[in-house]
Amino acid sequence: ELKVEQNPLFLSMQEGKNYTIYCNYSTTSDRLYWYRQDPGKSLESLFVLLSNGAVKQEGRLMASLDTKARLSTLHITAAVHDLSATYFCAVLTGGGNKLTFGTGTQLKVEL
Amino acid sequence: DGGITQSPKYLFRKEGQNVTLSCEQNLNHDAMYWYRQDPGQGLRLIYYSQIVNDFQKGDIAEGYSVSREKKESFPLTVTSAQKNPTAFYLCASRIRDRSNQPQHFGDGTRLSIL
Repeated sequence: ELKVEQNPLFLSMQEGKNYTIYCNYSTTSDRLYWYRQDPGKSLESLFVLLSNGAVKQEGRLMASLDTKARLSTLHITAAVHDLSATYFCAVLTGGGNKLTFGTGTQLKVEL
Repeated sequence: DGGITQSPKYLFRKEGQNVTLSCEQNLNHDAMYWYRQDPGQGLRLIYYSQIVNDFQKGDIAEGYSVSREKKESFPLTVTSAQKNPTAFYLCASRIRDRSNQPQHFGDGTRLSIL
């Protein structure tokens, strides 16, 4: 059974600091997705990582994928309060038809 | 604007009752999905459909049923056999066989037991 694990589960940080969220998965896949969810809301797509070594950046967020290590990271640079949300990684499986989601990382950026 | 519409936003179920959650998309996507999210947890796949008149069970299909009679619509029925239905239900869609595209999500339906 595929397992997708994120850590940390909770992250409280101050504005201006840097931090990294980790996503480990237990089976071979070269498709990984990052989503953001605000409280009580739906999921918003952030990044699609399609191959080993892929790196994508948008504003203060940067995501990378290492398929050999089965690891993706979401790096936050100089955090701001507006980044407070829950972040999920998801791995494509089932012959390319299914997503398995991680447990999520709840990020709180203190003013 | 293209998107995914879920209704209702809030739904209450009485014991022994079946309820149906609606999901409609006008993105011309082939594949549609239903997920369940419990508080503080990730999403778990209930059912998915790659094409009209065909669907597959996900990881937690027991107590749920779906149909896919039209490309645009993928309703989910929560049956009385689902003993713990209280959760946030999210519908998603994607272009089939296009893994370079993410799944797009609706705004969700929050289901509670009366």
